[in-house]
Amino acid sequence: QQQVKQSPQSLIVQKGGISIINCAYENTAFDYFPWYQQFPGKGPALLIAIRPDVSEKKEGRFTISFNKSAKQFSLHIMDSQPGDSATYFCAASMTNTGNQFYFGTGTSLTVIP
Amino acid sequence: NAGVTQTPKFRVLKTGQSMTLLCAQDMNHEYMYWYRQDPGMGLRLIHYSVGEGTTAKGEVPDGYNVSRLKKQNFLLGLESAAPSQTSVYFCASRRQGWDSPLHFGNGTRLTVT
Repeated sequence: QQQVKQSPQSLIVQKGGISIINCAYENTAFDYFPWYQQFPGKGPALLIAIRPDVSEKKEGRFTISFNKSAKQFSLHIMDSQPGDSATYFCAASMTNTGNQFYFGTGTSLTVIP
Repeated sequence: NAGVTQTPKFRVLKTGQSMTLLCAQDMNHEYMYWYRQDPGMGLRLIHYSVGEGTTAKGEVPDGYNVSRLKKQNFLLGLESAAPSQTSVYFCASRRQGWDSPLHFGNGTRLTVT
């Protein structure tokens, strides 16, 4: 049973466009939501993270939007660039235990020049 | 500073054979993890360790064993490989702290025939 549901599975965006990836969860004990970026042949690396006490977090062109009541969060990539082409994973954990991270199924993003 | 190093990078096994994957980190991290990545399934936690000499089961532990005899090393063993264990295996480590990120190795691609 997938603890974190992620969509879409793949996404193609024109250079300069906005990429949006969505995630949803059921377990209300989750209170930390990181996003990881993975390039081919490499391990994932932390991109940006949010806690549910804020509704939005922005770092450069990357923004996480969080809707606690809907148990949904999303990653927005503004002005998407070919270098952003990668697989993106959302994840969730419980900070009181902090030991396990549950990942979504991943989104393969392709940005067309 | 090498970060997280996984060996080997590639391996082919026949059904029923055994092998051990080695993960080494040089960041003095307390926590270490083994994940498997499969198409459409995302990253699933196999086993993890919160300190030297301790291990715990993750989401998909069956068919795998682990050991953490030294703080810097985390070994993943397959006693009798099955085709269902064909996957890309990632090791990760992180320091204590709810917001400390996972640092991943570059993966081991295992094929079981």
